[in-house]
Amino acid sequence: GDSVTQMEGPVTLSEEAFLTINCTYTATGYPSLFWYVQYPGEGLQLLLKATKADDKGSNKGFEATYRKETTSFHLEKGSVQVSDSAVYFCALSADRGSTLGRLYFGRGTQLTVWP
Amino acid sequence: DTEVTQTPKHLVMGMTNKKSLKCEQHMGHRAMYWYKQKAKKPPELMFVYSYEKLSINESVPSRFSPECPNSSLLNLHLHALQPEDSALYLCASSLLTDARVNTEAFFGQGTRLTVV
Repeated sequence: GDSVTQMEGPVTLSEEAFLTINCTYTATGYPSLFWYVQYPGEGLQLLLKATKADDKGSNKGFEATYRKETTSFHLEKGSVQVSDSAVYFCALSADRGSTLGRLYFGRGTQLTVWP
Repeated sequence: DTEVTQTPKHLVMGMTNKKSLKCEQHMGHRAMYWYKQKAKKPPELMFVYSYEKLSINESVPSRFSPECPNSSLLNLHLHALQPEDSALYLCASSLLTDARVNTEAFFGQGTRLTVV
């Protein structure tokens, strides 16, 4: 079945450090891939997305590239800020069949950035 | 308008109470979802509505009863809940185009439910 494997956290970084959060997936067909961010006490916000192989999603300095050959969608940011502290979820959505419309989430990675 | 609005933001209810959670969107999305999220866990899918019809029920106990009165509204009726049902309940919506889902889902801020 469809699934997402996300690196374990928590991740603790100093401000301006480089961030990578690994995400790999298992899916049939051509899923869409997403990164969502959840700040404390809030719902999920879409951070970026990619809908086909080799697409690069980017937003607010974050980037992720849809790599079909390695079934990966790793999140990166060159210089993190304290305000980036949140939980990050990698997610997949199937493109067809009975699972149409549902999101499969990774476990989430807590990021804490210290000044 | 890219908002999904959920009310109330917080809810405390007893195990014998009946309450409802409400969700509204005006983006023309025809797929709407209820997710349950426990602390430090990812959201778990509960229900999916497509074109106002229930299309997925993830074996949710009958004490949770969803309703989609029209294309903009989604309710979750709660009755005889247990303390372990305490969680953040998230509503989401996404665009349906023909037979495919434009699978970008927009989430509301959630209702923090505490069952006492």
